[in-house]
Amino acid sequence: SQTIHQWPATLVQPVGSPLSLECTVEGTSNPNLYWYRQAAGRGLQLLFYSVGIGQISSEVPQNLSASRPQDRQFILSSKKLLLSDSGFYLCAGQTYNSPLHFGNGTRLTVT
Amino acid sequence: GQNIDQPTEMTATEGAIVQINCTYQTSGFNGLFWYQQHAGEAPTFLSYNVLDGLEEKGRFSSFLSRSKGYSYLLLKELQMKDSASYLCAVRDSNYQLIWGAGTKLIIKP
Repeated sequence: SQTIHQWPATLVQPVGSPLSLECTVEGTSNPNLYWYRQAAGRGLQLLFYSVGIGQISSEVPQNLSASRPQDRQFILSSKKLLLSDSGFYLCAGQTYNSPLHFGNGTRLTVT
Repeated sequence: GQNIDQPTEMTATEGAIVQINCTYQTSGFNGLFWYQQHAGEAPTFLSYNVLDGLEEKGRFSSFLSRSKGYSYLLLKELQMKDSASYLCAVRDSNYQLIWGAGTKLIIKP
């Protein structure tokens, strides 16, 4: 079964600094990959999804971007963080007809 | 638009049974999922329904009625560790997941 690796678990960054969160997938190939953000006490907001290398769909216009340089690697980036970028970031993967599996998440605090 | 509704919060007693409802209006239907999310952690998969009826998995069961756009998650013999948020999600005609905001379940001794 697939395993989603995501790091770091916790990150504190100043406003205006860059961001790079990495997610890798183990145990499957050609997964659909997703980046979600969850504000405290709120539901999941889909940020980006990818159905293959170099293919990125953005769901919400914002200060973030995503890239998929390899089949099992998905990266979330920002050139300049805003206070509103704080939240719980979750990477998830899915293959056909399987449930979505999540990484452990990264809690980002922008100060 | 697409919409998933579930109660914001529920309270139940240890050892009892609780039913968490989910109603949905989506563009097409390709399955309904329930996830459990403990505070500060990632969601974990609980159950999947694509056909009408009841799916049982230990203390947890999930029911689906596609004609009514309705599902519920039934938790039996509640334990303190069941205190968590429960997320309902529907996969639409584009195979995208539409998420509810989650139901926070509080278990009291």
